[in-house]
Amino acid sequence: AQSVTQLGSHVSVSEGALVLLRCNYSSSVPPYLFWYVQYPNQGLQLLLKYTSAATLVKGINGFEAEFKKSETSFHLTKPSAHMSDAAEYFCAVSESGGGADGLTFGKGTHLIIQP
Amino acid sequence: ETGVTQTPRHLVMGMTNKKSLKCEQHLGHNAMYWYKQSAKKPLELMFVYNFKEQTENNSVPSRFSPECPNSSHLFLHLHTLQPEDSALYLCASSQDRHANTGELFFGEGSRLTVL
Repeated sequence: AQSVTQLGSHVSVSEGALVLLRCNYSSSVPPYLFWYVQYPNQGLQLLLKYTSAATLVKGINGFEAEFKKSETSFHLTKPSAHMSDAAEYFCAVSESGGGADGLTFGKGTHLIIQP
Repeated sequence: ETGVTQTPRHLVMGMTNKKSLKCEQHLGHNAMYWYKQSAKKPLELMFVYNFKEQTENNSVPSRFSPECPNSSHLFLHLHTLQPEDSALYLCASSQDRHANTGELFFGEGSRLTVL
């Protein structure tokens, strides 16, 4: 069975500071990993995904994530936070060859940007 | 219109009411999904339709009844709901359920409150 743990339900950073959102997964097979973002009053939107190619994945809006098999982690980072980054971020894992219906989501991390 | 559209955006209903949520996708996808999003809980997959056929029902109570008349439309019929069913109901679509991109395209959700 697969699972996702997002450390910290809320993360607060200052504008211009580094953003680090943590995600650890468990999977019995090589996983596909995803980060989704949900802005207020909107649905989820794909930020980036890892599908067994390069371990450092770049996504939209300046975000990137690194797959570390030894640590079973897929942390999301952005060098400099912007006010518009305030949102809920969800890590997800899929074992079923990346099939969309096999996604298991974490509980989410609410990113707060301080001016 | 483009993307995934959900109506209504907000719905308040009593426990004896019957209502329906509607989802329409304009992406030419063949798979559609209903998710339930509750505070402080991971997204819960409720129903999956692939090429108009229901392929998964994750032990959802019978007071929730899905309908998929064609690949572009998905409904969630609600009757005799309980207050704990209050949540954000998200519709999503993908190329098909086995698409190895694993990417889901979400609507903005229908916020349901059961009194």
